[in-house]
Amino acid sequence: AQKVTQAQTEISVVEKEDVTLDCVYETRDTTYYLFWYKQPPSGELVFLIRRNSFDEQNEISGRYSWNFQKSTSSFNFTITASQVVDSAVYFCALSGSYNQGGKLIFGQGTELSVKP
Amino acid sequence: EAQVTQNPRYLITVTGKKLTVTCSQNMNHEYMSWYRQDPGLGLRQIYYSMNVEVTDKGDVPEGYKVSRKEKRNFPLILESPSPNQTSLYFCASSPRGPYEQYFGPGTRLTVT
Repeated sequence: AQKVTQAQTEISVVEKEDVTLDCVYETRDTTYYLFWYKQPPSGELVFLIRRNSFDEQNEISGRYSWNFQKSTSSFNFTITASQVVDSAVYFCALSGSYNQGGKLIFGQGTELSVKP
Repeated sequence: EAQVTQNPRYLITVTGKKLTVTCSQNMNHEYMSWYRQDPGLGLRQIYYSMNVEVTDKGDVPEGYKVSRKEKRNFPLILESPSPNQTSLYFCASSPRGPYEQYFGPGTRLTVT
């Protein structure tokens, strides 16, 4: 069975601190996809990144970076120099191959609060 | 602007009164899906559609129906809503199944 675990329910930091959100996944598939989504207080779900199981390169986008390690089944998300606007619930998600219906398996989410 | 739209955004209804939540995307995506989000249970897939006239059940399909007659539209139908269907509903679309899904703004449904 596929599963995504985000062990950190809530994190609170002060602006400009770096923060890492942990994500651990379980799957028996050899081909799979990992995602991060952001849900700000307004409620919408915003896509941040997708990684394929065969591409372990880390990625950086501005203040955001992602570390994908198949050896530990982890896909962690780091925000550098956090800002108040980063306050949101962040979800890690997993999807299997196309013939599995494309369902996203979401973790429970990590609520990040960035205080000024 | 590329987007997924849902209507209504908020709905309060009574038990047993049929309702439809519409979902439309303008990105020519093949794949569309419905999720519900509940406190403590996270996001769970209700139904999905890989293309026109192709739909299938997700994890929590009971009490819901869908149809996909056109590529852009994927309405969610609650034929006899019950209070346990009170939830935040999201429609999503994707170029193909396993790729990133783009979500609509959500529909907050309350069934009394």
